[in-house]
Amino acid sequence: IAGITQAPTSQILAAGRRMTLRCTQDMRHNAMYWYRQDLGLGLRLIHYSNTAGTTGKGEVPDGYSVSRANTDDFPLTLASAVPSQTSVYFCASSEDQGGYYGYTFGSGTRLTVV
Amino acid sequence: AQTVTQSQPEMSVQEAETVTLSCTYDTSESDYYLFWYKQPPSRQMILVIRQEAYKQQNATENRFSVNFQKAAKSFSLKISDSQLGDAAMYFCALRRNDMRFGAGTRLTVKP
Repeated sequence: IAGITQAPTSQILAAGRRMTLRCTQDMRHNAMYWYRQDLGLGLRLIHYSNTAGTTGKGEVPDGYSVSRANTDDFPLTLASAVPSQTSVYFCASSEDQGGYYGYTFGSGTRLTVV
Repeated sequence: AQTVTQSQPEMSVQEAETVTLSCTYDTSESDYYLFWYKQPPSRQMILVIRQEAYKQQNATENRFSVNFQKAAKSFSLKISDSQLGDAAMYFCALRRNDMRFGAGTRLTVKP
């Protein structure tokens, strides 16, 4: 099916543990993004990638890293999780970088750090 | 810097009535795009409507329309003939390269 697959759907993680959130798309979109959604704050950009092999920092990149080894995959890693990283994480992709096309979103990962 | 502000954390509307959700934004760019996304309890983000900043004509999609005031940097969403299925969080977003979102407005539809 065309779209974005995120895994896991939800996770409870002990503080200090390392965690990778997976994101895979099958639409051959060049641009991909990671956002976190928090009540009262909307969605905030963590990291982005305009094309395979390149990544950039968004509004709230601290504590997170990404890689883009190929077009389809864009994993997000929390090296040492902290409770403030409890959130819902969305991966998204876009057909363009210029703006006309909106995003295609994954269904999100709910992460709870305890 | 690009910022998006939604000043109404919650709104409610009677079924079949009309409701308007407010959004203001700030950007130094002259060329950009504006979006409204709907997020029902399923958590899925659904594109409702899109507006190109260079177009003066307001976008319309069935029961959804926008009032785009570029000089005032305002982009409100009007939902006509509200239905129970319209109940959701609504996010206003601004895109020049990446997309920036407002804090969201939770819409309740009363039967």
